[in-house]
Amino acid sequence: DIQMTQSPSSVSASVGDRVTITCRASQGISNYLAWIQQKPGKAPKSLIYAASSLQSGVPSKFSGSGSGTDFTLTISSLQPEDFATYYCQQYNSYPLTFGGGTKVEVK
Amino acid sequence: EVQLVESGGGLVQPGGSLRLSCAASGFTFSDHFMDWVRQAPGKGLEWVGRARDKGNSYTTEYAASVKGRFTISRDDSKNSLYLQMNSLQTEDTAVYYCARIRRGIFSFEYWGQGTLVTVSS
Repeated sequence: DIQMTQSPSSVSASVGDRVTITCRASQGISNYLAWIQQKPGKAPKSLIYAASSLQSGVPSKFSGSGSGTDFTLTISSLQPEDFATYYCQQYNSYPLTFGGGTKVEVK
Repeated sequence: EVQLVESGGGLVQPGGSLRLSCAASGFTFSDHFMDWVRQAPGKGLEWVGRARDKGNSYTTEYAASVKGRFTISRDDSKNSLYLQMNSLQTEDTAVYYCARIRRGIFSFEYWGQGTLVTVSS
């Protein structure tokens, strides 16, 4: 199975900050990488697929990059609605696997 | 508007069975692979399995943790996805989400609101 490792596991940030989350795959996954946002008590929401493509309706303050084993999610200017947990997920091979999550908290 | 609505969750004893449903609307259900993903209380997301479309012979994939106990099926005439769960264990306690898979890309695209399954005596 491909292991997905996210860092940091949590980050404290203020409104307006730029936040970067990293995700590392245990083996190469090309660009078969997605980022998913989840707010407390809510269903997950897909943000990015193919490492850098924005899901329809997702604001451009979210961006993704990377290929192979190393990936990043950047939120350019954090807003109150962005405080949530973010997961990376690989769909290169079965079983599909998720990172452990990064909780973005209010500083 | 794409809608995915799960139902069928509840309390079940260890060793018991439960069948979850996911009702889809707002899109051509038969065109999409569909997945189940679960989340144990306070934990991260765990993929459960996939149901492919008619063009892929309705084949399925499963996580090792549920293979042989869970069965995913779909009824395109009812725009519905199902998860039959047998031999339930306490570690199967989770919110279960259905998700639509993006055509040709195979990433998650849309998610339902989830249904809670509690396995406890």
